[in-house]
Amino acid sequence: QVLLVESGGGLVKPGGSLRLSCAASGFTFTDYYMNWIRQAPGKALEWVSYISSSGNSTNYADSVKGRFTISRDNAKNSLYLQMNSLRAEDTAVYYCASGLRKSLFDYWGQGALVTVSS
Amino acid sequence: DIVMTQSPDSLAVSLGERATINCKSSQSVLYSSNNKDFLAWYQQKPGQSPKLLLYWASTRESGVPDRFSGSGSGTDFTLTISSLQAEDVAVYYCQQYYTTPPTFGQGTNVEIK
Repeated sequence: QVLLVESGGGLVKPGGSLRLSCAASGFTFTDYYMNWIRQAPGKALEWVSYISSSGNSTNYADSVKGRFTISRDNAKNSLYLQMNSLRAEDTAVYYCASGLRKSLFDYWGQGALVTVSS
Repeated sequence: DIVMTQSPDSLAVSLGERATINCKSSQSVLYSSNNKDFLAWYQQKPGQSPKLLLYWASTRESGVPDRFSGSGSGTDFTLTISSLQAEDVAVYYCQQYYTTPPTFGQGTNVEIK
């Protein structure tokens, strides 16, 4: 079955960096767009970034542009999110999500909590 | 960005009764070339990650019970749970995938009356 497992979350100080990973299995990774979507405590879902199946195309929410970088390693069936210059408002559960169509999220991981606090 | 607005924010329905959630987009998400609405619905149960229920406004994802249905076109959409079951307690989100950035509604919390 499809499995997306995030790792790398944790507590980081404002201005710090963190790298999230998402290990995928159970589907043909190279066929799918991959996304990061976040959810602040008690809040709605917010799309963060996507990367095309080949990795040639990426896009970001304005709130993270210039600070976050999405990447993928198709040989390892893995997705990454490098987060720099973190702010308190980046505190959230970060989900990786896959989709055959851009911006439609077929499968979701269980999420990784990122807390930005001094 | 397209703003998605759901109503109501919260809904309490008796077991076996109908639940109806509305979603309105700030601009049309109907793509004229294929006559499809780029609108999806997700279910997020307490403590879980979201799950795709419907896409193209009314197409059920594989395995989704047929008590869940979607309707509407253009800017106004509805998710209906025809006979609420205890396992349907969740927050439901609509989402447009017509343009980037994809955007979600604020969510509707469905509970048992």
